Amino acid sequence: ETGVTQSPTHLIKTRGQQVTLRCSSQSGHNTVSWYQQALGQGPQFIFQYYREEENGRGNFPPRFSGLQFPNYSSELNVNALELDDSALYLCASSRGQGIVKGAEAFFGQGTRLTVV
Amino acid sequence: AQSVTQLDSQVPVFEEAPVELRCNYSSSVSVYLFWYVQYPNQGLQLLLKYLSGSTLVKGINGFEAEFNKSQTSFHLRKPSVHISDTAEYFCAVSPHNNNDMRFGAGTRLTVKP
Repeated sequence: ETGVTQSPTHLIKTRGQQVTLRCSSQSGHNTVSWYQQALGQGPQFIFQYYREEENGRGNFPPRFSGLQFPNYSSELNVNALELDDSALYLCASSRGQGIVKGAEAFFGQGTRLTVV
Repeated sequence: AQSVTQLDSQVPVFEEAPVELRCNYSSSVSVYLFWYVQYPNQGLQLLLKYLSGSTLVKGINGFEAEFNKSQTSFHLRKPSVHISDTAEYFCAVSPHNNNDMRFGAGTRLTVKP
């Protein structure tokens, strides 16, 4: 059973550019959640995908968007990057409808995004 | 909306000493409660969770936590810590009716020899 893998591990982008982060969920998991963790802070919920549809969203602007594919892998897209978007982006996968059912979420190691 | 307050940003402790990491939350609805650990340059690993039932929850690595509904607290404890417990610890809550998990700002536990 493979774990949650995220790519790339590190990324540097310029303000105004667009970025795509990728996440492969753990085998058998159909729910993926994305979190933003700024330096020295706890993770903040961006959104969750369940069976290819958005299934909950946190307080993030529309320039944060996502996709989930039939194999349950997922992408996080951020348009018009701002300096404050610099953070560790974490992906978590779970079975079923994730936290609503109390199912454990397994986290990837994250992608460190730096916007300059 | 929910919020989580971790009362200590840093907790230094000597090896084999007991430790308590404090967590308080506020919510207008019933919540699930979680503690996660994050080692440097890694993602989060679940230590334990409270869904329902017994208020004393035992987790991995010898950690336990007690849910106190009247005090809206979910403090994490370990009777004897090891050097390898040095990490960042996050308390989190998730309401029963949606997927919006809220994390505290974290407590950095440093275990000294």
